[in-house]
Amino acid sequence: DGGITQSPKYLFRKEGQNVTLSCEQNLNHDAMYWYRQDPGQGLRLIYYSQIVNDFQKGDIAEGYSVSREKKESFPLTVTSAQKNPTAFYLCASSIVRGTEAFFGQGTRLTVV
Amino acid sequence: AQSVTQLDSQVPVFEEAPVELRCNYSSSVSVYLFWYVQYPNQGLQLLLKYLSGSTLVKGINGFEAEFNKSQTSFHLRKPSVHISDTAEYFCAVSDGGSNYKLTFGKGTLLTVNP
Repeated sequence: DGGITQSPKYLFRKEGQNVTLSCEQNLNHDAMYWYRQDPGQGLRLIYYSQIVNDFQKGDIAEGYSVSREKKESFPLTVTSAQKNPTAFYLCASSIVRGTEAFFGQGTRLTVV
Repeated sequence: AQSVTQLDSQVPVFEEAPVELRCNYSSSVSVYLFWYVQYPNQGLQLLLKYLSGSTLVKGINGFEAEFNKSQTSFHLRKPSVHISDTAEYFCAVSDGGSNYKLTFGKGTLLTVNP
């Protein structure tokens, strides 16, 4: 089945540690996105990538980093510089500009 | 810059009643509009989208939405809801041009009661 796989589903980390969230897609999509979801805040864009080896900051990129070495993969690293990292993180992909995005099942990160 | 306002954060309704979830957007260019649904602890699933053409758009699970350019609205409707429609609903906009990324509203929690 084609789709987007995020792993792990739940992740716990100690404060001050970097953590990497995985996102893989087999839809042959060019564009990939990372969103952060907090209760009552909707989805906010962290980073997006339109093509391999290129990515752009979204609205809340501070404290996060990404890479796009392969078309299928777009991992997100939550660094110790992120002040409030506990959230639900969603990865998405799309084929062309402005068309619908397909979402993974999300990773819930809890930092203690 | 584009933005999306979902006018109701929570909408409680009884089973088999009609429902309307409101969405207004602002953008300086032509837009694409979307409604997504999210069940607890899951990703988002596309309900319907407006790209061009007919302003009345039909989606999955009996939902429909109407694009109103003059009022910059894209309200979601269903004539008769089921318990299983209980979920959070997100309206989103993309300008379809160089700024292709989606901008989401803050969501509306629809709760269907028996």
